[in-house]
Amino acid sequence: EVQLLESGGGLVQPGGSLGLSCAASGFTFSSYGMGWVRQAPGKGLEWVSDVTGSGADTDHASSVRGRFTTSRDNSKNTLYLQMSSLRAEDTAVYYCARASTVYRPYYFDFWGQGILVTVSS
Amino acid sequence: EFMLTQSPGTLSLSPGERATLSCRASQSGSNDLAWYQQKPGQAPRLLIYKTSSRATGIPDRFSGSGSGTDFTLTISRLEPEDFALYYCQHYGSSRTFGQGTKVEIK
Repeated sequence: EVQLLESGGGLVQPGGSLGLSCAASGFTFSSYGMGWVRQAPGKGLEWVSDVTGSGADTDHASSVRGRFTTSRDNSKNTLYLQMSSLRAEDTAVYYCARASTVYRPYYFDFWGQGILVTVSS
Repeated sequence: EFMLTQSPGTLSLSPGERATLSCRASQSGSNDLAWYQQKPGQAPRLLIYKTSSRATGIPDRFSGSGSGTDFTLTISRLEPEDFALYYCQHYGSSRTFGQGTKVEIK
């Protein structure tokens, strides 16, 4: 059974940094791309980033490019999102998601339950 | 900028009725179009990928169609558990999501 468990969320001040992790199990982690999708309170889904199976290629939405970094450790079956220069508009539930294949284009076929990040002073 | 526009914003229907949800792209592209269902307090769930392929375990009352800029999710006969939010996503170059359509009980 595919399981994705996010951790690391919480309250952070504007301009601060925070790191999210997503522990994956139930599948061969390195054989799939992975991604992050967020949802601001009461709003729709926004793709944040994704990374290919090997970790060699990442892509980020323009709204977070230069501030967020996505990486993975295939030896630990874990996906990461390092967020810096956080803004109030980054407040959202962040979902970790498994991509359908190792490389793009891919949709997201399994999702974690999400973790809340709140940026506020 | 590639955009997806979903309509209507809200669809009010009764159980047993047919639901037709639209997703229009701002420019013509590939058929790399997916649909997701989201219930309150839950993560999204994949329903349809590649415009018309059902994900594993999805009932056949859900179907997808379309091409070019116009895509449709059809729920042939609404069950009580189908009342939810639905999002389309073009997962080609942009990875854009539509803004969602809420299917509510009339």
